[in-house]
Amino acid sequence: DADVTQTPRNRITKTGKRIMLECSQTKGHDRMYWYRQDPGLGLRLIYYSFDVKDINKGEISDGYSVSRQAQAKFSLSLESAIPNQTALYFCATSDLLRTGSNTGELFFGEGSRLTVL
Amino acid sequence: AQSVSQHNHHVILSEAASLELGCNYSYGGTVNLFWYVQYPGQHLQLLLKYFSGDPLVKGIKGFEAEFIKSKFSFNLRKPSVQWSDTAEYFCAVNARRGSTLGRLYFGRGTQLTVWP
Repeated sequence: DADVTQTPRNRITKTGKRIMLECSQTKGHDRMYWYRQDPGLGLRLIYYSFDVKDINKGEISDGYSVSRQAQAKFSLSLESAIPNQTALYFCATSDLLRTGSNTGELFFGEGSRLTVL
Repeated sequence: AQSVSQHNHHVILSEAASLELGCNYSYGGTVNLFWYVQYPGQHLQLLLKYFSGDPLVKGIKGFEAEFIKSKFSFNLRKPSVQWSDTAEYFCAVNARRGSTLGRLYFGRGTQLTVWP
């Protein structure tokens, strides 16, 4: 089983609909992230959370919201989806960056492809 | 904040050719450096990482990268590519100290296509 699980894997919706993408992890990491991938633009950070009580905006948070329900769960919501939110969305986790061998590398889920018509 | 530049957007090679993908970052402090790979239809996987010690880092599948601090570079290399190396490659950096501690910044990616 995957350590970082995203649901749904694929979703087609219409403009104006509310959409929630869910992410759960079994790695025991404190930190969770939502990224968006678009061709030619790489990965852009939407929101991140360093623990359950900590939520931070990333580069492109407008039009999105998140909820950190537990250490293992981090969901992304589009309150009113629009076509330019059509993209591949990745959830990721990392352990706390500490001096030494821990580098804060990210572990990714398998992605959620969202199409907004 | 850090930024990462990948110079090549799309690289096309024949099998057995040598590969070098460029990556430069902008940040004056101590960093950790990463290369991730994304095979078609899959998620990102770590290829290799540097955090200290020998600036020449070896990763999986015969890849290596060299950290040159004076040039703020972390170029990815492979002596002989295979068709199965066709993928998108992302360079990334995080700072070990400061307000952005722990956040990973990605380049825009380089699509590698290897012809058999």
